[in-house]
Amino acid sequence: GQNIDQPTEMTATEGAIVQINCTYQTSGFNGLFWYQQHAGEAPTFLSYNVLDGLEEKGRFSSFLSRSKGYSYLLLKELQMKDSASYLCAVRDVGGRDDKIIFGKGTRLHILP
Amino acid sequence: DTEVTQTPKHLVMGMTNKKSLKCEQHMGHRAMYWYKQKAKKPPELMFVYSYEKLSINESVPSRFSPECPNSSLLNLHLHALQPEDSALYLCASSQQQALNQPQHFGDGTRLSIL
Repeated sequence: GQNIDQPTEMTATEGAIVQINCTYQTSGFNGLFWYQQHAGEAPTFLSYNVLDGLEEKGRFSSFLSRSKGYSYLLLKELQMKDSASYLCAVRDVGGRDDKIIFGKGTRLHILP
Repeated sequence: DTEVTQTPKHLVMGMTNKKSLKCEQHMGHRAMYWYKQKAKKPPELMFVYSYEKLSINESVPSRFSPECPNSSLLNLHLHALQPEDSALYLCASSQQQALNQPQHFGDGTRLSIL
């Protein structure tokens, strides 16, 4: 089966660092995406990992451990505009179809 | 602004109406997707088109009928919808379905069924 878990909500302070974790179980893992979605807006692509390790892109970094079925998104120097939902999405090629499966998302609240 | 354009942005319709949602992209992407998203929930995949052919139908009720007239356009025809179908409908595209390319999402159509 397929299962993607991430915390429902997190709160952090402006200027701080926050780590959003995602664990997954799929029959045929082939890549993990992180998306940001502001309320009422479209999801926007943040990062992609398929090999173990850390991918850094400005204030955002994403880490993957395939053996542990685990990823995290690290946000540094938090800004108020980072208040949004962060969606972990896994590419599953193990079943009948090759498709992206989204986790339930983590709503991040940034406090001044 | 996104590179995937969806119209209309908002739609209110009765359960007996017939309407269509439209999606357009000019990035040369050959995979296009329809998602349904309820409030505070993740997007749920409905349909995938790859090279203008229906690739995935996630057991969506027949009151939703997708159409891909050409490589740039994706429609979702709606008929006899139920109140529980009220949601944000997102269109997305990617270079190809099989490659690990990010999906580009449109801003969505917020649909309300009376």
